[in-house]
Amino acid sequence: RKEVEQDPGPFNVPEGATVAFNCTYSNSASQSFFWYRQDCRKEPKLLMSVYSSGNEDGRFTAQLNRASQYISLLIRDSKLSDSATYLCVADPSGGYNKLIFGAGTRLAVHP
Amino acid sequence: GAVVSQHPSWVICKSGTSVKIECRSLDFQATTMFWYRQFPKQSLMLMATSNEGSKATYEQGVEKDKFLINHASLTLSTLTVTSAHPEDSSFYICSARHPGQGVETQYFGPGTRLLVL
Repeated sequence: RKEVEQDPGPFNVPEGATVAFNCTYSNSASQSFFWYRQDCRKEPKLLMSVYSSGNEDGRFTAQLNRASQYISLLIRDSKLSDSATYLCVADPSGGYNKLIFGAGTRLAVHP
Repeated sequence: GAVVSQHPSWVICKSGTSVKIECRSLDFQATTMFWYRQFPKQSLMLMATSNEGSKATYEQGVEKDKFLINHASLTLSTLTVTSAHPEDSSFYICSARHPGQGVETQYFGPGTRLLVL
């Protein structure tokens, strides 16, 4: 079983739509979680951290459910520029940045 | 902001040759750098953790004699793929952890695409 699992998609949505991605992780010792964004043939870039209390950054909302070992990302009012692969990431190393990446969920936003 | 560079960005080589990839942190001193590999449509896989002045820590299944890592200074880590074969063709990405910032602050290089013929 993969340590971090995601639905690969693709999710094809129109501009303005709300889309949600889910992710599960297997290592209950993982302390920190993140969502990264990766554009085609580029390096991943941090989108946001994920906290137990849930956190919001503009149109993006991330939630963590430790009991279910489940992480989500909600994107509201999708823009064309949101088209990318979204990577769910866990850090099981207690802050040493040994990041475990999910395979990513592809999002394609169309006009 | 902090920047991590990689060189080269592209490399094509013949089977059996060795390829060296450099990873530099340009704005800060990185005691720890990480090397990842990503095959098409797959996740980034951590290969090894590079520690300045000491031996790298390799992940299970990564051959240390094939993927040589040297972190000789606080701003430079190198990955050498020795005797490269076509199955080593991949996207290699390094990252550097900023020592003074939070755990989520890991800066990625732009990656190196390796094609072994």
